[in-house]
Amino acid sequence: GQNIDQPTEMTATEGAIVQINCTYQTSGFNGLFWYQQHAGEAPTFLSYNVLDGLEEKGRFSSFLSRSKGYSYLLLKELQMKDSASYLCAFSDSNYQLIWGAGTKLIIKP
Amino acid sequence: KAGVTQTPRYLIKTRGQQVTLSCSPISGHRSVSWYQQTPGQGLQFLFEYFSETQRNKGNFPGRFSGRQFSNSRSEMNVSTLELGDSALYLCASSPDLQGVTYEQYFGPGTRLTVT
Repeated sequence: GQNIDQPTEMTATEGAIVQINCTYQTSGFNGLFWYQQHAGEAPTFLSYNVLDGLEEKGRFSSFLSRSKGYSYLLLKELQMKDSASYLCAFSDSNYQLIWGAGTKLIIKP
Repeated sequence: KAGVTQTPRYLIKTRGQQVTLSCSPISGHRSVSWYQQTPGQGLQFLFEYFSETQRNKGNFPGRFSGRQFSNSRSEMNVSTLELGDSALYLCASSPDLQGVTYEQYFGPGTRLTVT
């Protein structure tokens, strides 16, 4: 079967670093996405990993290990505006996206 | 380039009624996917349309249906509404060339409340 899991909620301090983990199980895999969703808004694309390793984009980085079925999103120098839900999703053998329930990130001053 | 648009943005319906939601994808995008989002449930995949054909379908009852027109605009219909259908319905489009994974671009959603 297919499944994907990520923590429900995390709290971090402004200026700090936080890592949001995502684990998945699937027989067919065509990459993993991270999206950010502010309350009341649509999800917006953050990153896409299809090969193992770390992809860095400014303050955000995403890591993938296909053999472990594991990804994480790393946010550095946290700002209050980073308070949002972070959704991970993998693309299966039919190129359909399977979504996690999202991790609500709370940033405290 | 204009983004994905959805109409209406907000809708209040009564149990038993039916509703039609509309989505206009980004120009040139041929794939349109529909999702239901409820608190704590994340994005639940409804269906995906590509070139006017339903290509993938999620695990929702037959009351949920959709279609895509030749200009890639898509509609979804929910018949015999239930209280549990209250949710944010998101549409996402993607260029989706065959065999390639692309990011999806989301519209602002339609907030449906069933009373």
